[in-house]
Amino acid sequence: GAGVSQSPRYKVAKRGQDVALRCDPISGHVSLFWYQQALGQGPEFLTYFQNEAQLDKSGLPSDRFFAERPEGSVSTLKIQRTQQEDSAVYLCASSTGQPNQPQHFGDGTRLSIL
Amino acid sequence: AQRVTQPEKLLSVFKGAPVELKCNYSYSGSPELFWYVQYSRQRLQLLLRHISRESIKGFTADLNKGETSFHLKKPFAQEEDSAMYYCALGSQGGSEKLVFGKGMKLTVNP
Repeated sequence: GAGVSQSPRYKVAKRGQDVALRCDPISGHVSLFWYQQALGQGPEFLTYFQNEAQLDKSGLPSDRFFAERPEGSVSTLKIQRTQQEDSAVYLCASSTGQPNQPQHFGDGTRLSIL
Repeated sequence: AQRVTQPEKLLSVFKGAPVELKCNYSYSGSPELFWYVQYSRQRLQLLLRHISRESIKGFTADLNKGETSFHLKKPFAQEEDSAMYYCALGSQGGSEKLVFGKGMKLTVNP
């Protein structure tokens, strides 16, 4: 079946603009994760959903970052009043939610803030 | 706090040589360790996890709790092994966040 799908693949925005990044997880996957990957670094956790419930948002760097998954499927990561340091690849991953099951990653959205 | 350290950023070897990609972790609970790989122009994908104790593409990794390590090894590297490798730490039995190392770029020369 289809893997995790993210859109857009690339996003360029001017500093101060708001952006919205979409993630479509593998069908039936309960758990959904967002990670931020800066250039030359490993992915860093942002937030985690189990179905529609956001169970962990400890990695969100500021209140400009907001994520939602209203129907327990598609998720949107929104960044308000973007800043240059927000430039990164944003990765979405999903898993079945069962113990010891791996996370499956999308291709990511490369965000560039000018 | 959970932490993963990959001490080397780059490793370059010739085809047929052995490779070892180092990974050390810090975690007070029961760890679950993974190796993810990202080939050029492809998405991050799971290579192997310690709980499976399996060999994938000739790679193996053993969890050493005494040394808090999960080094990735392959006896004879192939050119198609050239990629970015990330070690990741999760909590055993959980389905929650992964903590990644900074990654290591492996280049296998012909």
